[in-house]
Amino acid sequence: QKEVEQNSGPLSVPEGAIASLNCTYSDRGSQSFFWYRQYSGKSPELIMFIYSNGDKEDGRFTAQLNKASQYVSLLIRDSQPSDSATYLCAVNGGSQGNLIFGKGTKLSVKP
Amino acid sequence: GAVVSQHPSRVICKSGTSVKIECRSLDFQATTMFWYRQFPKQSLMLMATSNEGSKATYEQGVEKDKFLINHASLTLSTLTVTSAHPEDSSFYICSAEREDTDTQYFGPGTRLTVL
Repeated sequence: QKEVEQNSGPLSVPEGAIASLNCTYSDRGSQSFFWYRQYSGKSPELIMFIYSNGDKEDGRFTAQLNKASQYVSLLIRDSQPSDSATYLCAVNGGSQGNLIFGKGTKLSVKP
Repeated sequence: GAVVSQHPSRVICKSGTSVKIECRSLDFQATTMFWYRQFPKQSLMLMATSNEGSKATYEQGVEKDKFLINHASLTLSTLTVTSAHPEDSSFYICSAEREDTDTQYFGPGTRLTVL
């Protein structure tokens, strides 16, 4: 059973701080990794995807992938209250070509 | 960009009726679309994988005769909840896979309430 694990949180950080979200996955053959943000009552929104080891930066967001250790992380710099949401880690590798999602980490950014 | 729409956004129906939900990829073609269900404060649950021109593949425990999926074109998949009951009340979300990046983009979701 392929799994994606995330700490459910809540993770609470002060405004302006760096929020660090972590995810581990079980399938060593996974090639594609995604971070989605889901606000309460809304559908998930793609933030970033990463395929190669190392860091990928997009604005305040940095995704980090370490295939040897089978973890992927998301850093949010200068966190804002509007970043408060549940962050979903997803990995390719489902039997139907579907993504396998973690249960999400709830982030709360306090003003 | 990659935009996925869903219609309707919200539906309230009586027990025993059928409800059709449409999912469209607006600016890309999607051979594969996925249907999810999410109950309050719970995680996404994949219901089925919809492939254009072929039968959908359902996850274990999802009744294919109750949740009818049709993927008639590369931009449209529909989910019909047949003979809906109050326990079917949930947030139904589709996603469409953009093949050039193997990336899934989600629709805004449909909130179904069965009275």
